[in-house]
Amino acid sequence: DIQMTQSPSSLSASVGDRVTITCQASHDISDYVNWYQQKPGKAPKLLINDVSNLQTGVSSRFSGSGSGTDFTFTISSLQPEDIATYYCQQCHNLPRTFGQGTKLEIK
Amino acid sequence: QVQLVQSGSELKKPGASVKVACKASGYIFATYTMNWVRQAPGQGLEWMGWINTNTGNPTYAQAFTGRFVFSLDTSVSTAYLHISSLQAEDTATYYCARAVYLDHWGQGTLVTVSS
Repeated sequence: DIQMTQSPSSLSASVGDRVTITCQASHDISDYVNWYQQKPGKAPKLLINDVSNLQTGVSSRFSGSGSGTDFTFTISSLQPEDIATYYCQQCHNLPRTFGQGTKLEIK
Repeated sequence: QVQLVQSGSELKKPGASVKVACKASGYIFATYTMNWVRQAPGQGLEWMGWINTNTGNPTYAQAFTGRFVFSLDTSVSTAYLHISSLQAEDTATYYCARAVYLDHWGQGTLVTVSS
């Protein structure tokens, strides 16, 4: 199975900060990485598929980059409504695997 | 608009079984696979597997072989997750999610296993 190592596990930042989350795959997964946002008590929501493809209606302050084994998710200017847990996921191989999640809090 | 609506919370005793439903609307059911994802309390997301909604062929992650069964009723655009011989460790929220990218999710079904 492909392991997705996500860091940090938690992050505290101020409104307006640039926030970066990384995800490292145990094998080359090309550009088959998705990013999800999960707010407390809610289902996850797909933000980005295939590394950098922003879903319709998702704020442009979210972005993704990377290829192969190293991937980055960025929030350009943190807003209060971005408080959530974020997960990466690879869809290159079965079984699909998720990173451990990054819990984002406002400082 | 695409919607996945899941059945309500369940409280079951150890050894019992449960069937979680996921009713799809707003798209042609047979054109996208349906995934199942587990989230234990306070924990991360775990992909359980998927079912091909065109052929009915299921694929299970290793940890979910044996007691977990995916099925369909295409006449009502509904996917099902059946769990047998429930154990306390099965207590979790179970989500259905559409397609390779998990682009739409159900609201989740909390299954609690307790004596």
